[in-house]
Parts: sequence; structure tokens; C-alpha cells
Amino acid sequence: GNSVTQMEGPVTLSEEAFLTINCTYTATGYPSLFWYVQYPGEGLQLLLKATKADDKGSNKGFEATYRKETTSFHLEKGSVQVSDSAVYFCALSPRGSSNTGKLIFGQGTTLQVKP
Amino acid sequence: DADVTQTPRNRITKTGKRIMLECSQTKGHDRMYWYRQDPGLGLRLIYYSFDVKDINKGEISDGYSVSRQAQAKFSLSLESAIPNQTALYFCATSDLEPGSPQHFGDGTRLSIL
Repeated sequence: GNSVTQMEGPVTLSEEAFLTINCTYTATGYPSLFWYVQYPGEGLQLLLKATKADDKGSNKGFEATYRKETTSFHLEKGSVQVSDSAVYFCALSPRGSSNTGKLIFGQGTTLQVKP
Repeated sequence: DADVTQTPRNRITKTGKRIMLECSQTKGHDRMYWYRQDPGLGLRLIYYSFDVKDINKGEISDGYSVSRQAQAKFSLSLESAIPNQTALYFCATSDLEPGSPQHFGDGTRLSIL
């Protein structure tokens, strides 16, 4: 079946530190991969996506590369800010004839950035 | 105005009550989804709909029902609420293209006493 596993949080960093949040997946075929971010009191917002192997998604200084050989989609940012404090979700959307647009989410990783 | 609007934003009710959560969208998307979020579990799919006449169960549909009143409106009902349905509920939409991202509302925080 399809599943997503994220590193457990919370992750606590100082401002300007380097961020990595690990995400690995299990899926048949070639899913699309996403990172969503949830700020306190808000819904999920798409942060970035990748639809095929070796694609790199990027947005607001965040990057993630679709690695088929390691079935991973790790989120990175070179220098975090206090405003990046949020919950980050990795998700996949299966492809193929059974595609329904459904998303399968990881459990979420809370990031706290301290000044 | 928000593209995906959920009402109410917060609700406290008692066990056994019937509850309806509403979702409306202005994005013109055909696909709509209802999720619940629980701490440490991420989001889990309750129901999804491809159009007014096409409604499908997700992974945790027991105890819930839905109604797609129009392309823009998708309601979630709890016929007889129980405490373990206390959660944060999200509505989302997407278009038909494979790999399209979903667009989420701000959520409804539901507490059942």
C-alpha cells in the first residue's frame, strides 16, 4: 500500500540554522510528492511539489528533491527564520488508473525556531 | 475572501447530537475532500467527491456522512456524535489533473463532550 513516514518532532532550531525534515514513502508506480505547511490556527498550504523522479520543488527558500532510488523527499532550508515555525506535512498522491487525487499524509513534523 | 470556506470554525457539542460541518469553494474545482486531523496522526481522509453524483468513502468513513449539494458545496455530518470524533476537520478541493495539489480551508475545531 501507499504510506508516508516523516521524522518525528518537534524540531527546535535557532534562527539561521540549517533545516532538514526527512520524508520517505512507499508507493506503487510514480506518485506525485508534496510538502504542505500549517501555521497555527490555519489550514494547510502547499509549500512545494514534485511530480517525477529527480524533480526539485522549491518555494520561499525551501527545497525538496524527488529521489526515486531512496524513495525520499526530504525538505531543506538553508537558513530558517522564526516565521518558519509551523507544522510540516509530507504527502503523496498515487498515480495511475486508480488516481483519485487523494493525498496520503505523513504524521507531520513540528518546527520551532527560536530567536 | 478565502477560496475554501469552512463553517463553523469552532463547535462544542454533546454526545449524541447531530452535527453538520459545511464547506464551500470558489475555485471551480470538481473534486472535494473531507479530512480529520488528530495529533501525531496527520490527516486522514473521511470522504471525497468528484462531482455532485460521485461520492466515495475514505479510510475512516464510519460514523460520518456527506452531501454534495452543488459543485461548490460539500457538507460533512456526524449523525450521532461521540467523544472520539473530537478533532480538527478540514475540507479541501483540487482540479482533475493528475498530481494537482489540494487547497484547504482553515478547518473546523470540533469538541464533543
